[in-house]
Amino acid sequence: GQQVMQIPQYQHVQEGEDFTTYCNSSTTLSNIQWYKQRPGGHPVFLIQLVKSGEVKKQKRLTFQFGEAKKNSSLHITATQTTDVGTYFCAGSSGGYNKLIFGAGTRLAVHP
Amino acid sequence: DVKVTQSSRYLVKRTGEKVFLECVQDMDHENMFWYRQDPGLGLRLIYFSYDVKMKEKGDIPEGYSVSREKKERFSLILESASTNQTSMYLCASRKRLAKNIQYFGAGTRLSVL
Repeated sequence: GQQVMQIPQYQHVQEGEDFTTYCNSSTTLSNIQWYKQRPGGHPVFLIQLVKSGEVKKQKRLTFQFGEAKKNSSLHITATQTTDVGTYFCAGSSGGYNKLIFGAGTRLAVHP
Repeated sequence: DVKVTQSSRYLVKRTGEKVFLECVQDMDHENMFWYRQDPGLGLRLIYFSYDVKMKEKGDIPEGYSVSREKKERFSLILESASTNQTSMYLCASRKRLAKNIQYFGAGTRLSVL
């Protein structure tokens, strides 16, 4: 079945360093979403990408959808302690628009 | 604001017990979902419902069933709880055909002893 792989599983950075998480799908996606889960919290929607090669920015966060619509990345510039949490990508394809989640990347930021 | 409410934050049950996890959303969303979240595995879809009285199996439905008798409520049932069902359970809802955004509840951490 369809799989969404996400790497790395865990990353810790010094505050001010950049961070990137990558997502790869075994099949072509109709869209990809990104969610953030703070420690002890629940996943919260960040963004959805639909078009091939699409790039979207939210302040220090840059989201990219690959040309083949099979991979995506989230890049955070100059991390802050408020960026701490687990970032999930979730791909959607086929009927019903079910989301297939990646395993998530847990980000730790050291002040 | 969309609100998705799960009835319990923490539950402790014994092996073999029947367990009900309740989820209620207040935004008239057609679609509702149940996931379980385990370390290193992300969120895995157990069951989903596209409207009242409709249900579809997700990726890991074994050992679970669901009920959607009213639009706002989606229940997950463990007919006979087992220790391998110890997990965090997350409910989500979504407005049909509206940007595909899912709104999650706070989660229920279930321990089966």
